[in-house]
Amino acid sequence: AQSVTQPDIHITVSEGASLELRCNYSYGATPYLFWYVQSPGQGLQLLLKYFSGDTLVQGIKGFEAEFKRSQSSFNLRKPSVHWSDAAEYFCAVGVGTNAGKSTFGDGTTLTVKP
Amino acid sequence: EAGVAQSPRYKIIEKRQSVAFWCNPISGHATLYWYQQILGQGPKLLIQFQNNGVVDDSQLPKDRFSAERLKGVDSTLKIQPAKLEDSAVYLCASSQLRGSETQYFGPGTRLLVL
Repeated sequence: AQSVTQPDIHITVSEGASLELRCNYSYGATPYLFWYVQSPGQGLQLLLKYFSGDTLVQGIKGFEAEFKRSQSSFNLRKPSVHWSDAAEYFCAVGVGTNAGKSTFGDGTTLTVKP
Repeated sequence: EAGVAQSPRYKIIEKRQSVAFWCNPISGHATLYWYQQILGQGPKLLIQFQNNGVVDDSQLPKDRFSAERLKGVDSTLKIQPAKLEDSAVYLCASSQLRGSETQYFGPGTRLLVL
């Protein structure tokens, strides 16, 4: 069975600084990978996804993620963080193309300092 | 386009009581998902519907949880009787097709069992 680890429970960055959120997965076949963002009291919003092809994936809100098969990682990055990026971020690994089969990590909470 | 609607937004009940949650997916979306998100964890899939049929309910505690989607549109998730460990946010999501990787999440129902 697949699993996802997000090693950082909480990260604090200054506004304008760069951001990297880590995600490691365990899955025997080619993974389908997702990053979601959840603002307080809201549902989850898909930021980006990787199914195949270019290992550097661009998403919404200026986010990108890089798939590294050798490291079983799919880290999320943003060059310059805005205060509105403060939220909880979830990495997920999917089985096949049925996104409903995804297994989620436990999330990383991002705090942005002014 | 209206998003995924859920009600109620909050519910407080005592253990052994019953509770029901309602979800109305985005119009035209064939696939509907119910997730349970316990505080500090990522969402866990409870059940997935394709139109009015169940695709996957392997993680649904069937001794106390039930769900239906009778006309292939809105859905109800019920817990009877509730336990303390059922305290969580219940998220509903929908997607156009079973193979569609983009899920759209509702705001969730926050349940507290006392």
